Amino acid sequence: DQQVKQNSPSLSVQEGRISILNCDYTNSMFDYFLWYKKYPAEGPTFLISISSIKDKNEDGRFTVFLNKSAKHLSLHIVPSQPGDSAVYFCAASRGGSNYKLTFGKGTLLTVNP
Amino acid sequence: GAGVSQTPSNKVTEKGKYVELRCDPISGHTALYWYRQSLGQGPEFLIYFQGTGAADDSGLPNDRFFAVRPEGSVSTLKIQRTERGDSAVYLCASRNRGGLSYNEQFFGPGTRLTVL
Repeated sequence: DQQVKQNSPSLSVQEGRISILNCDYTNSMFDYFLWYKKYPAEGPTFLISISSIKDKNEDGRFTVFLNKSAKHLSLHIVPSQPGDSAVYFCAASRGGSNYKLTFGKGTLLTVNP
Repeated sequence: GAGVSQTPSNKVTEKGKYVELRCDPISGHTALYWYRQSLGQGPEFLIYFQGTGAADDSGLPNDRFFAVRPEGSVSTLKIQRTERGDSAVYLCASRNRGGLSYNEQFFGPGTRLTVL
C-alpha cells in the first residue's frame, strides 16, 4: 500500500508560468517531508523540505506547502524554467525511524519554452 | 570526494549469478542508506547503516540480499542468486547526522543492474 502518493504522472507548463506538483500521504506519523528532483541517469537531488510544525517553506523560486489535516503537500515553482524539466519525487520520513525515506512514484515536469 | 559515488554505473549479469554493488559516501557522513528504484516507481528503502552496523534492514526483500560497511565508510550491497526481478537501479545515499541539514540525504548516481 502506497503511503506517499503522487497522482499525476506528468505535468506540462509554459515557461514563466507556475508549476504545482501535488503529493498526498496516508501515514500520520510522518513528520518531515522532502522534494527531490531527478534528471535521467542521475541520482535524486534534494530540492526543498518542510517539517510538520510548519505549513510553508520557501527557497527562491520553490515553495512547499503542507496541509497536515488533509495530509497533502504541494511544491510550487514560480516562474518555471525549461531547466526545471525533470522528475520530481515527494518523500516523507518520521522521527525515530532513522530518517529513512518513503517516496512517491514521481511526477515528470516538462517546461516548454 | 565531493559527492556520493557508486560503482559500477551499469552491471549486466545472468540469472543465478552473484553481484556486488559499491557505494562511497560523502566523507564524514556516518549515516548510509541503500534504496532500489524499479521502472516507473520511486526509490524504495532497503537498508540503513549508522557507522558500521546495519541499524535497519527491514527493506531487504529476502535473504539473497546482504550489505556490509566494515569500516563505517564504503558500503557494499551483495545479491546472491540473482533473479530477473532484481533488475532495477540501486541508489545509495548518505546523511550528515549533525548540522542544519541533518534530515537531508545525498544520493549517488545509482547502479543500473540488469539480470538476463
